[in-house]
Amino acid sequence: GQNIDQPTEMTATEGAIVQINCTYQTSGFNGLFWYQQHAGEAPTFLSYNVLDGLEEKGRFSSFLSRSKGYSYLLLKELQMKDSASYLCAVETNAGKSTFGDGTTLTVKP
Amino acid sequence: DTAVSQTPKYLVTQMGNDKSIKCEQNLGHDTMYWYKQDSKKFLKIMFSYNNKELIINETVPNRFSPKSPDKAHLNLHINSLELGDSAVYFCASSQDYELNEQFFGPGTRLTVL
Repeated sequence: GQNIDQPTEMTATEGAIVQINCTYQTSGFNGLFWYQQHAGEAPTFLSYNVLDGLEEKGRFSSFLSRSKGYSYLLLKELQMKDSASYLCAVETNAGKSTFGDGTTLTVKP
Repeated sequence: DTAVSQTPKYLVTQMGNDKSIKCEQNLGHDTMYWYKQDSKKFLKIMFSYNNKELIINETVPNRFSPKSPDKAHLNLHINSLELGDSAVYFCASSQDYELNEQFFGPGTRLTVL
């Protein structure tokens, strides 16, 4: 089976930087994805990592360490619209994505 | 243009009824999925089809039966609905079944009374 852990909730201030961690235990690891989900809406893709290291996409970056079973999503220059749930998803080599329970981020002025 | 569409958006029905949810994608993707998101917002894979072939079938009651008439469509039929089936059901698609971002439909909120 797979075990994916993320913090349930986080709060940060507009303009600040926040790091959302995700740890996982799995076999047959293919890659790790991050999705954003606003309340009442569908998840939307943010980034994915296959190899160790940092992937940067504008204000969002994602890091992966395969040996440690660890990833984080870094959000810079936080905006109010970044308040959402952030879902970490691990894909195994069966092409199956297992989602974490999500981290609800609240950005305050 | 809607990339992944689902109908209906809302579905309210009585226990014991049979209902279907339809999903269509116009992205030319090969792989489609059904997910269930419960009241605690946990998103769980149910089924995945690649080129109309079932490739993932999680531990889902056999009251749930997916059907893929072609690779642009993946419908979900649910028999004998139960209270615990109340959830938001998301359809998604991806170019292929490995290492591809998934595009989600808007969701169908099913309420079983």
